[in-house]
Amino acid sequence: AQSVTQPDIHITVSEGASLELRCNYSYGATPYLFWYVQSPGQGLQLLLKYFSGDTLVQGIKGFEAEFKRSQSSFNLRKPSVHWSDAAEYFCAVGATNNAGNMLTFGGGTRLMVKP
Amino acid sequence: EAEVAQSPRYKITEKSQAVAFWCDPISGHATLYWYRQILGQGPELLVQFQDESVVDDSQLPKDRFSAERLKGVDSTLKIQPAELGDSAMYLCASSLARGKGTEAFFGQGTRLTVV
Repeated sequence: AQSVTQPDIHITVSEGASLELRCNYSYGATPYLFWYVQSPGQGLQLLLKYFSGDTLVQGIKGFEAEFKRSQSSFNLRKPSVHWSDAAEYFCAVGATNNAGNMLTFGGGTRLMVKP
Repeated sequence: EAEVAQSPRYKITEKSQAVAFWCDPISGHATLYWYRQILGQGPELLVQFQDESVVDDSQLPKDRFSAERLKGVDSTLKIQPAELGDSAMYLCASSLARGKGTEAFFGQGTRLTVV
């Protein structure tokens, strides 16, 4: 069965600083990988996804992620964090069937941004 | 912009009572998912529908939970009887049924508190 680990429960960065959120996955085949962001009390918004091809994926809001098969990782990065980026971030791996992708999520990383 | 609609946003119910949540997916999305998110954790898949058929409900606690999507459009998730441990956010998501590469769009969720 697939699994996702986000080793950092909380991260605090200063506004304007760079950010890297870690994600490690376990999956028996070629993974479909996702990063979602969740603001307090809200649903999840997709930041970016990886299915195949270029291992560096660009997303919305200036985020990018790099798929590294040898490390089973899909870390999320942003060069300069804004105060509005404070939220919870979830990495997920998708198990594909004919109806779509059943997502297995990590436990999440809560990002706090210092002024 | 099309979105997944869920109601109610918040629900407080007493232990042993019945409770139901409603979801209206994005128009044209054949696949619908229900996820449960316990506070401080990532979402966990409960059930996946394609049109009116259940594709996967292996993680649905069937002794007390039921889900239906009678006409293949909107869906209802029911809990009867509710237990204290059911307190969580219940998220509905929908996607096009295309197998790989499909993005799931999430609603804002229903926050359930069982007292």
